[in-house]
Amino acid sequence: QVNLVQSGGGVAQPGKSLRLSCVASGFSFTAYAMHWVRQAPGKGLEWVAIISTDGNNKDYADSVKGRFTVSRDNSQNTVFLEMNSLGPDDTAIYYCARDSVIFYTVYYFDLWGQGTLVAVSS
Amino acid sequence: DLQMTQSPSTLSASVGDRVTITCRASHSFGGWLAWYQQKPGKAPNLLIYQTSTLQTGVPSRFSASGSGTEFTLTISSLQPDDFATYYCQQYNNYGLTFGGGTKVEIK
Repeated sequence: QVNLVQSGGGVAQPGKSLRLSCVASGFSFTAYAMHWVRQAPGKGLEWVAIISTDGNNKDYADSVKGRFTVSRDNSQNTVFLEMNSLGPDDTAIYYCARDSVIFYTVYYFDLWGQGTLVAVSS
Repeated sequence: DLQMTQSPSTLSASVGDRVTITCRASHSFGGWLAWYQQKPGKAPNLLIYQTSTLQTGVPSRFSASGSGTEFTLTISSLQPDDFATYYCQQYNNYGLTFGGGTKVEIK
């Protein structure tokens, strides 16, 4: 079954760190770029980051640049989002998402994880 | 940054109605548009990509079109499963942004 299963997240104090994981199954993980997208409670969607198939190319939204790091372990079919210096504005549901075209990057997403809540609060 | 404005923000309609959602870009861009459907507590689901191409498995009552700065998503005959929030999303060489969403409610 084609699937993305997320873990991690939870409650963090301002300034602290959290790490999210997203495990892929049922498809050739190494053939797809992967993204992170977030959604603040009751709000719209915001793209966060992308990582290329081989992990060598990454890009970030300005709102997280310098604080968040995306990585992947192709041997474990897993993509990660390391979030540092968290602030209240980072409170959101975080989704991992698959880029839609194999061995190419089109920046639209045809497979999503179930989402994981990150709440930043003192 | 390219801003995407959806209208209306909320739409009340009945089963069987024809529904149109508009997504306007702050300026013309050379990329394409995608549309997603999101139900409460669930991840978004890709409906349309490259402005007008229906994603595999999406019912044919969904269609989309547009160019320049104005894009539309149309549901030809609203079904009970279609009550949800819809988002447009653009990508161009300068970044990726989503519209603010349109909630389709039962009238």
